[in-house]
Amino acid sequence: EIVMTQSPATLSVSPGERATLSCRASQSVSSNLAWYQQKPGQAPRLLIYGASTRATGIPARFSGSGSGTEFTLTISSLQSEDFAVYYCQQYNNWPLTFGQGTKVEIK
Amino acid sequence: EVQLVESGGGLVQPGGSLKLSCAASGFTFSGSAMHWVRQASGKGLEWVGRIRSKANSYATAYAASVKGRFTISRDDSKNTAYLQMNSLKTEDTAVYYCTRQGWDWYFDLWGRGTLVTVSS
Repeated sequence: EIVMTQSPATLSVSPGERATLSCRASQSVSSNLAWYQQKPGQAPRLLIYGASTRATGIPARFSGSGSGTEFTLTISSLQSEDFAVYYCQQYNNWPLTFGQGTKVEIK
Repeated sequence: EVQLVESGGGLVQPGGSLKLSCAASGFTFSGSAMHWVRQASGKGLEWVGRIRSKANSYATAYAASVKGRFTISRDDSKNTAYLQMNSLKTEDTAVYYCTRQGWDWYFDLWGRGTLVTVSS
C-alpha cells in the first residue's frame, strides 16, 4: 500500500497570502495524484487531478505541481472561503490511498 | 442537477448489518464507476471499494479492512449504487460517502454522506 504523507498538518496563513501544501508518496505514483478540499460539515470537493489539472469550476489561484513522489498544492492568494482541510490522493496503485490532510487556518 | 444522495445510515450493534444506498441524478449513471469512501469523526478519508460499469463487467474491488464483509452493487435501472455492510465492527463507525469516478481513479463528484454508528 502506498502511504501518502502531507505536511504541514496545520498551516496558518493570512488572507491574501500564498499557501503551499506538500504531499509525499512512499513510492512513485507518476502524475496520478488528486487534491481535494473539505470544509467543516461538507463532503470533499475535487480541486486538481493528474497532479496539475484543475477540475471544472476551480479558480485559477489553485495550482498543482509535481510528479513521482513529491507534489505541491499552491493557493496563490488565500480567500476567506479557502480555509479548509486539503487532502491528496494517489490513484496509481491499489488500494487508492489518501494523505492525512493539511488544515489551512486563518492566521 | 448533477448529484449523489446517500441514505440508509444509522445506529447498528457490533456484528450487525446495514445497507446504504446512493441515488444518482443528472448524469449517465450506467456509464460511471462508483466508489464508497468513509471518514471517521475528526479523521481522514479512507477508500472502501468500487464497482465498475456494465461495460467493465460490474467489477468490484475492496479495501483490505472491509473485504469479505462489505459488498458493493448497483442497479442501473434505478440509478442507484449500494453498499451492503455485514459483520460490522465499532471501527466501521464513520460517515460514508458515495463518489463518482472521474476520467481516472479519482473522485469528481461526492454525495453529502450518511453516518453509520456501530455501537452497543
